[in-house]
Amino acid sequence: DVKVTQSSRYLVKRTGEKVFLECVQDMDHENMFWYRQDPGLGLRLIYFSYDVKMKEKGDIPEGYSVSREKKERFSLILESASTNQTSMYLCASSGQGSNEKLFFGSGTQLSVL
Amino acid sequence: GENVEQHPSTLSVQEGDSAVIKCTYSDSASNYFPWYKQELGKRPQLIIDIRSNVGEKKDQRIAVTLNKTAKHFSLHITETQPEDSAVYFCAASTGGYQKVTFGIGTKLQVIP
Repeated sequence: DVKVTQSSRYLVKRTGEKVFLECVQDMDHENMFWYRQDPGLGLRLIYFSYDVKMKEKGDIPEGYSVSREKKERFSLILESASTNQTSMYLCASSGQGSNEKLFFGSGTQLSVL
Repeated sequence: GENVEQHPSTLSVQEGDSAVIKCTYSDSASNYFPWYKQELGKRPQLIIDIRSNVGEKKDQRIAVTLNKTAKHFSLHITETQPEDSAVYFCAASTGGYQKVTFGIGTKLQVIP
């Protein structure tokens, strides 16, 4: 079974801190995604990557960056955390071609104080 | 970019009744339409999907219909059970690198 693992379930940070959210998948998937989930707003795509060292902006990339140095790992970086980045962050991965099913991690609830 | 609208945002039904959730999409190039179910405190999981070359797909008590002309697709759950209570997300994708755009979600409550 595919496993997508996010390094932290809960995280509390201060405004202005640099925050790293880590995601690892074990199914050799090409595509990896970062979403944030907010009540009433659904799942909004921040960034995605279709290959090592490749990245594409999603719908709400402002204030975020990403890194994909290895195929199995996709990191989301908040350069200077702000209170409006308090949210649930979900990582997901999928394979290529017709294998489009997204496998999600269990999420990281980030609170920025 | 793609915009997916979903309604209703909340839905309550009696156990055994049917539930219908509707979505519209904006990009006529979208060709893949998955539905995800997220139970409380858990991760979203794919429950059914449909591609643009198919008008309807069924899997036991759930079915999805697609109207490409109107850019509508819907999820139908029959004989609802309490374990169907969850948030359901529709989504659309244009394939390629498979950027998936989600609707805002529908919170379904099945009342025993």
